[in-house]
Amino acid sequence: DIVMTQSPDSLAVSLGERATINCKSSQSVLHSSNNKNYLAWYQQKPGQSPKLLIYWASTRQSGVPDRFSGSGSGTDFTLTISSLQAEDVAVYYCQQYYSNPLTFGGGTKVEIK
Amino acid sequence: QLQLQESGPGLVKPSETLSLSCTVSGASFNTGSHYWGWIRQPPGKGLEWIGSVYYTGDTYHNPSLKSRVSISVDTSRSQFSLKLSSVTAADTAVYYCGAYSSSSAYWGRGALVTVSS
Repeated sequence: DIVMTQSPDSLAVSLGERATINCKSSQSVLHSSNNKNYLAWYQQKPGQSPKLLIYWASTRQSGVPDRFSGSGSGTDFTLTISSLQAEDVAVYYCQQYYSNPLTFGGGTKVEIK
Repeated sequence: QLQLQESGPGLVKPSETLSLSCTVSGASFNTGSHYWGWIRQPPGKGLEWIGSVYYTGDTYHNPSLKSRVSISVDTSRSQFSLKLSSVTAADTAVYYCGAYSSSSAYWGRGALVTVSS
């Protein structure tokens, strides 16, 4: 199984400031056939189901604000919220879909400072 | 817009079988556009992938659940189902059904299933 490790477990950021979440996979999720990273980011607000924000490591899902961006390749990835808004308070998960079983990181809780 | 809704008992006794159904609207099972799957989330914890089924009937499940998982599709009712046998308290969780591909993912609102006698 590919183990996904997120850091930090939680972070508190002031409104309008940048939030950065890291995700590391135990093996590369870059597929050589299409040069794509099989890495997604989800947002989960309290009492709600996970919402896909980013796929292919850096492609925003339709409707996702452009303050959310994903970067990285191979085994190291980052989700950045460029200017934190109150509605961004949530737990964020990375997930690899390179191979079964699909696996998630442990989650990063983002709060307002 | 693709929508999914979980249904099933909210309380299951230890050693029995958990059974959930997922009703799908806004998409067809037969196009191969998505995998139809299940994830779960124990109270206060993270997400765990349980398994999925493809339109071909091929199924995939998390080896951590060993052979306790069964996922099937009923295209005539636009539903797919999860069965998890020999449950214990550790299987208490919110269970989400979903449809996903390499570039999309939709999850239902979730169903809390408690394992208790």
